Order: sequence, then C-alpha cells, then structure tokens
Amino acid sequence: AQSVTQLDSHVSVSEGTPVLLRCNYSSSYSPSLFWYVQHPNKGLQLLLKYTSAATLVKGINGFEAEFKKSETSFHLTKPSAHMSDAAEYFCVVSDRNTGGFKTIFGAGTRLFVKA
Amino acid sequence: DAMVIQNPRYQVTQFGKPVTLSCSQTLNHNVMYWYQQKSSQAPKLLFHYYDKDFNNEADTPDNFQSRRPNTSFCFLDIRSPGLGDAAMYLCAAATAALPYNEQFFGPGTRLTVL
Repeated sequence: AQSVTQLDSHVSVSEGTPVLLRCNYSSSYSPSLFWYVQHPNKGLQLLLKYTSAATLVKGINGFEAEFKKSETSFHLTKPSAHMSDAAEYFCVVSDRNTGGFKTIFGAGTRLFVKA
Repeated sequence: DAMVIQNPRYQVTQFGKPVTLSCSQTLNHNVMYWYQQKSSQAPKLLFHYYDKDFNNEADTPDNFQSRRPNTSFCFLDIRSPGLGDAAMYLCAAATAALPYNEQFFGPGTRLTVL
C-alpha cells in the first residue's frame, strides 16, 4: 500500500537558519516523489522532484531533498531560511499503476520563519 | 508561458444555487485533475480525466460533476452547493507521456457558500 507521512505539522525557524521538513513514504514499487509549496490563497508550486535519477535533488529557491530508499525518506532541506519561505509544504508520492498513476499527498507542514 | 488558468479566482454562491468553476491549460496535457482543499488540509482528489475518460474517486459526492469538452478545458459543476462545500478548488494538468506524474497546478478558485 502507498502512503506518505509528513512528520511535523508545524516547523518554526529563525531567518538565516537551516530548514528541515521531514517526509517518509511507503510504496510497493519505485515511486516518484515531489515537494510542492503553497503560499496563502495560491495554488501549489513544484519545488523539486525525484524520478529515479540522482538521489540528491536540487530544486528552486535553494531547496534540496535526498531520496533515501533504505530509510524510505525524502526530507526537504534549505541551508538558510528566508522570510518568503513561510508557507505550507506538501510531500507527494506517486506510483504508476494499471489505470495511470496513484498519487498521495502528505498532510502538509506549515513553515514559520521568524525575523 | 504555458500554464494552468482558473476562473474565477473567487466565487460566491448561495446555498443550493448551482455553480461552475472553470479551468484551462496551455500545456496540451492529456490528464486533468480537480481537487478540493479545505483550510489547513491537503488537497483531496475529486476526479480526473485521462483524455476523455472520466475517473471519479469513490468518495466524491454526486453533487460534484465535471465536464471536459476538449483537451484544454475542464469544468467543475456543483449542482447544489452546501455550506460544507466552501473550499479552495484546485485544477491540475499532467501528461501521461512521462514515467512520473508531475502535476501543474492552477492558482485555485476559492468558493464561498452563503
């Protein structure tokens, strides 16, 4: 069965300090994994994706994530938080099945950035 | 720029009055999705189109319907909106030509039910 767990519903950091948003998944196959960001009253924007190529994935706005199969994790990191990073972040896992794709969203992690 | 467009961005309707939300995409992608997102929750898939094939999620109420007249456009019809249907509605497009399901999202339509 496919699932995705975002381990923190809220994360608070100070501006200029590192960001870590945690995501664990389970999948029967070789999944694709995504991180999306959502600012208030906006749609979802893709930050980065893992699609079975390099396990360390670099995305937009200085974010990166590492796919660790042994730990079934895909944590999102950024070396230095900026005020504009305050938003909701969703980890998404997707598997191909007979009908197309099965895509599961995590519950989301709200990131707060303090000045 | 290729994108997913949703109109209107904000929609107000009355309890029980039918409403239609619109989505268009310039990506020429063959898969389109409609999601409902309530406050502080993850998006919940309502249904999707794979080309012209409609795929309804098992727990999507009958009150929600969809139409896809062509590749570019997809509509969400709420036949009799209730107060519980107030939410952000997100449209997304993806291509089945890739081995992974990257979805491109529109900005959403926030629906208010009075």
